[in-house]
Amino acid sequence: NAGVMQNPRHLVRRRGQEARLRCSPMKGHSHVYWYRQLPEEGLKFMVYLQKENIIDESGMPKERFSAEFPKEGPSILRIQQVVRGDSAAYFCASSGTGERQPQHFGDGTRLSIL
Amino acid sequence: TQLLEQSPQFLSIQEGENLTVYCNSSSVFSSLQWYRQEPGEGPVLLVTVVTGGEVKKLKRLTFQFGDARKDSSLHITAAQPGDTGLYLCAPRFSGSARQLTFGSGTQLTVLP
Repeated sequence: NAGVMQNPRHLVRRRGQEARLRCSPMKGHSHVYWYRQLPEEGLKFMVYLQKENIIDESGMPKERFSAEFPKEGPSILRIQQVVRGDSAAYFCASSGTGERQPQHFGDGTRLSIL
Repeated sequence: TQLLEQSPQFLSIQEGENLTVYCNSSSVFSSLQWYRQEPGEGPVLLVTVVTGGEVKKLKRLTFQFGDARKDSSLHITAAQPGDTGLYLCAPRFSGSARQLTFGSGTQLTVLP
């Protein structure tokens, strides 16, 4: 499967724990984007990364959320000290290098906070 | 914050009917992508439009990009139950780099 791979597909955490969501981009893509879909809401942009660089994090909450895309391995979205309001579907997309290259999405990680 | 409107929000039609979904903003799009999303899955790319006035066809789906690049439409001819899903327009606004802005979507149900 050469598509965008996200894992885990479902993640359950208790309040105060950490959540780590992983995304492997499509083969040949070096640009990764994270979006969040809250219940009954549309997808909202969070962060855009290239290898080892955060390019645009204008959609990231100021606290508890961080993202990385290391030279080797998948992109990671990390949420520390999770709260109930973090429950959502988190989608990763990847694209090629050109500015108008389309974004292809993974099937998401559904995060549930108990 | 650029505002994006997608209409209708819900649409339920019989198999064989035609339908059109609209995506509008008061701001200019540098490009626009249409996606379809099914429950429990990620959005699947249908088409990218870039040039004002552009028309693209994908089987029974016709996508138009407005001349002023502030609106787009998706027309489905002879809808089938397999077309059921959430249709999302996702423009990239001029000056917003690469982030996509998603509308709330049109939930289409095609009844057999």
